[in-house]
Amino acid sequence: DGGITQSPKYLFRKEGQNVTLSCEQNLNHDAMYWYRQDPGQGLRLIYYSQIVNDFQKGDIAEGYSVSREKKESFPLTVTSAQKNPTAFYLCASSIARGSSYEQYFGPGTRLTVT
Amino acid sequence: AQRVTQPEKLLSVFKGAPVELKCNYSYSGSPELFWYVQYSRQRLQLLLRHISRESIKGFTADLNKGETSFHLKKPFAQEEDSAMYYCALRTSYDKVIFGPGTSLSVIP
Repeated sequence: DGGITQSPKYLFRKEGQNVTLSCEQNLNHDAMYWYRQDPGQGLRLIYYSQIVNDFQKGDIAEGYSVSREKKESFPLTVTSAQKNPTAFYLCASSIARGSSYEQYFGPGTRLTVT
Repeated sequence: AQRVTQPEKLLSVFKGAPVELKCNYSYSGSPELFWYVQYSRQRLQLLLRHISRESIKGFTADLNKGETSFHLKKPFAQEEDSAMYYCALRTSYDKVIFGPGTSLSVIP
């Protein structure tokens, strides 16, 4: 373990509030990802970033925003526009060396919005 | 459309029996496919990638482009194989999408 950290492990917010989830990596990986994990739906891609100051929407980007100001950091903001924000959020980073590609995952943050 | 499907949400097998976890994909380009595993209370981690043609922990997976499948197989299941398994597809530009996952339970 190690290499990718997410904080906090558990997060509670009131409906209508924005909340930012932290993701940091010290693996010197260029690409970083945010996924949402829901029972029965697997991992769904929210946003990903291949390089600093650039990011792309995934399949379920509505109600979320990201920034990539530093290579090591890729914070995710869950806005009040996200209709069903309670979920388990996973951050990942990846490296591609020749034909070898692998994603490394963080421990996740469980967000509960009431 | 880019999509990964895993038709079985739950799969139970007896210890020592063969196991096959199914994965199908939809992608118009040249696919790069992976199997990831999440053991209880552990992080999601790579199990194997099709491009390496490797066997990890006795598991193998063959990419069948004709059937657009990448099924995961093991001839003799062990109790420690019980976990959540995800099939994943890497498209161009580093986008990686996952299937819904299959929970494998190996019965002693």
